[in-house]
Amino acid sequence: LAKTTQPISMDSYEGQEVNITCSHNNIATNDYITWYQQFPSQGPRFIIQGYKTKVTNEVASLFIPADRKSSTLSLPRVSLSDTAVYYCLVVNTNAGKSTFGDGTTLTVKP
Amino acid sequence: ETGVTQSPTHLIKTRGQQVTLRCSSQSGHNTVSWYQQALGQGPQFIFQYYREEENGRGNFPPRFSGLQFPNYSSELNVNALELDDSALYLCASSLGEGRYEQYFGPGTRLTVT
Repeated sequence: LAKTTQPISMDSYEGQEVNITCSHNNIATNDYITWYQQFPSQGPRFIIQGYKTKVTNEVASLFIPADRKSSTLSLPRVSLSDTAVYYCLVVNTNAGKSTFGDGTTLTVKP
Repeated sequence: ETGVTQSPTHLIKTRGQQVTLRCSSQSGHNTVSWYQQALGQGPQFIFQYYREEENGRGNFPPRFSGLQFPNYSSELNVNALELDDSALYLCASSLGEGRYEQYFGPGTRLTVT
C-alpha cells in the first residue's frame, strides 16, 4: 500500500486560497487519489478524486503531477466553516485497499 | 436517497468480549469498507467487501471479521476485545465499478474497559 504524508496543520484566513499537499512516493499504477474532509465526531466527507493532471469540481481542485508521487488539494476562498481535518486517501483498485494519510488540520481565521 | 447509517452510535464493552457493529450502505452501492479511527489519528483500513466477498484487508488480526449481505448491508465483528480496540469504527460504501469515492457513515464509538 502507498504510504501517505501530509503536513500536520495549516492556518489560513477567510477568503484566501489554501493548498494542502500529500506525498505518496510509492503510489502504484492502479492507485487513485481521493481527498476527504472530516469534522469532529463525524465521518469523513468526499471532496474530490483524480488519477493524474488536474481535476476541478464545485468546491475544490486537485493537482497531480506527471509522476503522481504527490497531490495538492486546492480550496479557493476558504471560510470559517472550512476549518476541519483534510485527508488524502490512496485507493488501490486491484487489491481493494485504501490508505489514509494522518490528516492536515486546517484552521481558518477571521 | 438515504445515506450510510451505522448502529449502534456508542457501545461500551469489557476486555475479552465480542462485539458486532452494523452498517447500512447507501442505496445502489455494492462495495463497503470498514475503518478504525483512534482519537487524533487518521482512519486505518480494516477490510473491504464487494458483492458479499472480502476484497481486500489491512493489517488487522483475524479476530476482526466481517460480512456483507445480499442487500449490501454489512457487519464488523471483533472477538476477544482488547483495550486498544477502543476507537471510532467507520463504514463507507461506494458504487464500485470504477467509482472510488466513498460515502461514510457517522461511525460507532466503541469503548473497551
